[in-house]
Amino acid sequence: NAGVTQTPKFQVLKTGQSMTLQCAQDMNHEYMSWYRQDPGMGLRLIHYSVGAGITDQGEVPNGYNVSRSTTEDFPLRLLSAAPSQTSVYFCASSRLGGGGNIQYFGAGTRLSVL
Amino acid sequence: AQSVTQLGSHVSVSEGALVLLRCNYSSSVPPYLFWYVQYPNQGLQLLLKYTSAATLVKGINGFEAEFKKSETSFHLTKPSAHMSDAAEYFCAVSTLTGTASKLTFGTGTRLQVTL
Repeated sequence: NAGVTQTPKFQVLKTGQSMTLQCAQDMNHEYMSWYRQDPGMGLRLIHYSVGAGITDQGEVPNGYNVSRSTTEDFPLRLLSAAPSQTSVYFCASSRLGGGGNIQYFGAGTRLSVL
Repeated sequence: AQSVTQLGSHVSVSEGALVLLRCNYSSSVPPYLFWYVQYPNQGLQLLLKYTSAATLVKGINGFEAEFKKSETSFHLTKPSAHMSDAAEYFCAVSTLTGTASKLTFGTGTRLQVTL
């Protein structure tokens, strides 16, 4: 009963490096999303997807790329990391079709950019 | 745009005391509202949700919340705090864009429970 799995749990990058945060879900959910959590700011939506091949921007998309080639996976790419991207990143998934659908969250990836 | 405001970034209560965490929302349409809890170094898990079926919503771990349209509020309560309730709590409102339900979170309230 894995739910939403994020890897890695921790990562330290140098400014300018690139990396991919992985997210996978085994609930056959169409909707997947990425959030970043910063102190005093709650969670903010970075990108989301409503199905394979369909992605869209959230509130804070700059500096991040996503793609969705399968229902299960939704990786988040940082092409050139900046200190401002130091944060905790959460992936979430849910069914489509209703405002009351519950989003299920992964355990998070803690990223530090030096 | 829909939004939520959580009053009080930190709340401290004694074990056994009433827990009250405040959330006010702004929405032009009947809202879907959620409370999530985040324990240290973990992801978010759902406590409860409001979807217009009933104004008093009961959740896990003895928590409940009451939707008050006249006050645009969805405050979270628990009659008697337990040490294990120490965590960060987030109120969120759902915005339906096409078929995608996007969550907008409040800034969170950290609950401390003391002996």
